[in-house]
Amino acid sequence: GQQVMQIPQYQHVQEGEDFTTYCNSSTTLSNIQWYKQRPGGHPVFLIQLVKSGEVKKQKRLTFQFGEAKKNSSLHITATQTTDVGTYFCAGTNTGFQKLVFGTGTRLLVSP
Amino acid sequence: NAGVTQTPKFRVLKTGQSMTLLCAQDMNHEYMYWYRQDPGMGLRLIHYSVGEGTTAKGEVPDGYNVSRLKKQNFLLGLESAAPSQTSVYFCASTAYGDTQYFGPGTRLTVL
Repeated sequence: GQQVMQIPQYQHVQEGEDFTTYCNSSTTLSNIQWYKQRPGGHPVFLIQLVKSGEVKKQKRLTFQFGEAKKNSSLHITATQTTDVGTYFCAGTNTGFQKLVFGTGTRLLVSP
Repeated sequence: NAGVTQTPKFRVLKTGQSMTLLCAQDMNHEYMYWYRQDPGMGLRLIHYSVGEGTTAKGEVPDGYNVSRLKKQNFLLGLESAAPSQTSVYFCASTAYGDTQYFGPGTRLTVL
């Protein structure tokens, strides 16, 4: 079945440093979504990418969808303590009915 | 708008007991999902529904049953709980496969 892996599993940065998490799928995706889960909370939608090579920005967050639509990345510029949490990518290759979630990257930011 | 709500928030069961988790959404969404989240494994899809009266198996359906008798409700049942079903369970809903809105989760411990 379809598998979605994320690296790294965990990263600890100092506030102000940049952070990147990478998402790789075993199959071509029709779209990819990113979610953030704060400690003790539930996943919250951040963004969806649909087009090959697409790049979207949300303030300090930059999301990219690979040309082959099998990988994606999330880059945070100048991390803040409010960025703490686990970031998940999720993709589908079967229309839009169900997502396969990545394993997640846990980000810890020290002040 | 309450969004997606889950009942109960916490539950402790003994092996072999049964229980039902209730998910309710007030956004008139067609699609609803049940996930389980275990440390280091991300979110795994248990069952999902693409409309009232429909259900389908996800990635890890064994030991669980679901029903969607009303559009706004999606029930997850455990007929005979096992320690391996100790997890955090999230319900989610979406209109037609884009942004998934998650409930706050149910922490289940099976002794």
